[in-house]
Amino acid sequence: QQQVKQSPQSLIVQKGGIPIINCAYENTAFDYFPWYQQFPGKGPALLIAIRPDVSEKKEGRFTISFNKSAKQFSLHIMDSQPGDSATYFCAASNSGGYQKVTFGTGTKLQVIP
Amino acid sequence: DAGITQSPRHKVTETGTPVTLRCHQTENHRYMYWYRQDPGHGLRLIHYSYGVKDTDKGEVSDGYSVSRSKTEDFLLTLESATSSQTSVYFCAIGLSQSTDTQYFGPGTRLTVL
Repeated sequence: QQQVKQSPQSLIVQKGGIPIINCAYENTAFDYFPWYQQFPGKGPALLIAIRPDVSEKKEGRFTISFNKSAKQFSLHIMDSQPGDSATYFCAASNSGGYQKVTFGTGTKLQVIP
Repeated sequence: DAGITQSPRHKVTETGTPVTLRCHQTENHRYMYWYRQDPGHGLRLIHYSYGVKDTDKGEVSDGYSVSRSKTEDFLLTLESATSSQTSVYFCAIGLSQSTDTQYFGPGTRLTVL
């Protein structure tokens, strides 16, 4: 049962472009929405996260937009760089559930110079 | 990697053999998780632990068992490995109840022939 749907599967942008990755969830009990970044051969690492009491969060060049009524959230990468090339996973969790996290299927981003 | 190690890092085994993967943490965190990562499926939770000898099943637990006899170690066992269990396995820890962030180990690549 896929409770967090992520799109697109892959994305190619030129340096300086703004890739956007979208996620949708079903479980209204989710109250924490992190994004993880994974480089080849490494484990995923937390990039940025948001809770549903805010509609947007920025950290450096990374921004999460959150639409609670639509049950959707997205990651924007401003001024993308070749070093941002990685796989990105959205995720969702319920604070009361042993911190169990449900992950999206991932988006492989390639930023070309 | 938040003090998380996994062993072995790579393993090739034959169908029907038992396999045990080890996750070790140095920080005495309560929550530990085992995921498998497969193309098109993202990260799927196999089992998790919320304390010594306290474990529960995730979404893809069939064919796997776990044990946690010490806070720092979480073992994942494939009782009789099958080719469908060829995957990359990640261990993760959850730091506390005040945050849902998970920190991942470097992964174990398992190939079942």
